[in-house]
Amino acid sequence: ETGVTQTPRHLVMGMTNKKSLKCEQHLGHNAMYWYKQSAKKPLELMFVYSLEERVENNSVPSRFSPECPNSSHLFLHLHTLQPEDSALYLCASSPAGTSYNEQFFGPGTRLTVL
Amino acid sequence: AQSVTQPDIHITVSEGASLELRCNYSYGATPYLFWYVQSPGQGLQLLLKYFSGDTLVQGIKGFEAEFKRSQSSFNLRKPSVHWSDAAEYFCAVGTSGTYKYIFGTGTRLKVLA
Repeated sequence: ETGVTQTPRHLVMGMTNKKSLKCEQHLGHNAMYWYKQSAKKPLELMFVYSLEERVENNSVPSRFSPECPNSSHLFLHLHTLQPEDSALYLCASSPAGTSYNEQFFGPGTRLTVL
Repeated sequence: AQSVTQPDIHITVSEGASLELRCNYSYGATPYLFWYVQSPGQGLQLLLKYFSGDTLVQGIKGFEAEFKRSQSSFNLRKPSVHWSDAAEYFCAVGTSGTYKYIFGTGTRLKVLA
């Protein structure tokens, strides 16, 4: 595997389910990001981890819970989601958690909440 | 507050025609500027970036962009569009001292054969 991978690519869940999204980067980067991409809206930064420490949490509802066990892996744990949470969730990584570094994106997980 | 505006939601051009995608930003200091492209079913890929120096920057796939401080713009151009350029294009601003990019809403490009 190369670059940034995300699993699953598609996920359908009910509002009472618990699921997790997984992201893995094979680039040796130190920072990882979760974004939410909804139609007709700018990408929304959700969480940033730098050297496995959460450094940004953009007022995201507690039903989204990130986890970064090491610098290569990032998870987004989901529970009791709402239909408006349906979106494409993108993971990205960069060499360091600074805004002048290029971010490398995964293909995303298309989430549908019923 | 910082913001990025991409005024064109959709653009349609014929293959071989020139292309310009507009991006305007609002930011107090010199920004870090990026253009990304997203093909269907894929993540975002960096086309080019500007930090300082020459205001005309070259990127991958034959794209270029020009930073104009007086207009707060960073427009993306390509002299001759190929059918494979059909995708969504995002302008982004990196704010110094933070981890954040601010993205525009994107411009979806359609290429006619």
